[in-house]
Amino acid sequence: AAGVIQSPRHLIKEKRETATLKCYPIPRHDTVYWYQQGPGQDPQFLISFYEKMQSDKGSIPDRFSAQQFSDYHSELNMSSLELGDSALYFCASSFLAERDRRPIYFGEGSWLTVV
Amino acid sequence: KQEVTQIPAALSVPEGENLVLNCSFTDSAIYNLQWFRQDPGKGLTSLLLIQSSQREQTSGRLNASLDKSSGRSTLYIAASQPGDSATYLCAVRSTGNQFYFGTGTSLTVIP
Repeated sequence: AAGVIQSPRHLIKEKRETATLKCYPIPRHDTVYWYQQGPGQDPQFLISFYEKMQSDKGSIPDRFSAQQFSDYHSELNMSSLELGDSALYFCASSFLAERDRRPIYFGEGSWLTVV
Repeated sequence: KQEVTQIPAALSVPEGENLVLNCSFTDSAIYNLQWFRQDPGKGLTSLLLIQSSQREQTSGRLNASLDKSSGRSTLYIAASQPGDSATYLCAVRSTGNQFYFGTGTSLTVIP
């Protein structure tokens, strides 16, 4: 079965540079989530989209932005990168309807290292 | 805001033992609770999902229970194996369509 696809898997950037992460949700899923997981920490919710519209916002820095496109793929844009942005970034997808029985599925994550 | 806590933070057991991981949450208004496994540097693999109306779910050697009124869930692993070594995370799906994660339990099964 198709899973959540993220690219790139690994990314090294310098401070103050810009990075873009891409996510392709499971086909027919209508909701996409972005999470950030620092070393030894639990995943922190950044932002979510439902049917290409932003639905919820978590602890996403102002330097970050995200959008979901007509083909349902999503991109997380990170500018003015700081050392503290180094983390594993996860994309996840799910259905909004019948949410009590719908799991959330995660991609393998994108490792961002800021040097 | 929903807060999810997992106890213990780390657990080390000899192979073959049965074990229980605990997850507690502060707001009982949830849609479901999901248990995940995460290997180092890898993504989250879904293990079990319990709907808010359910009491437990089983998959192989795993059994998850949910007591929504008390804000607790347990993940029971029977006959543990070295391959079970990983970090286990619980996540609750709360109002606003958000998922809140616990801090995880790092499990080591010693051969």
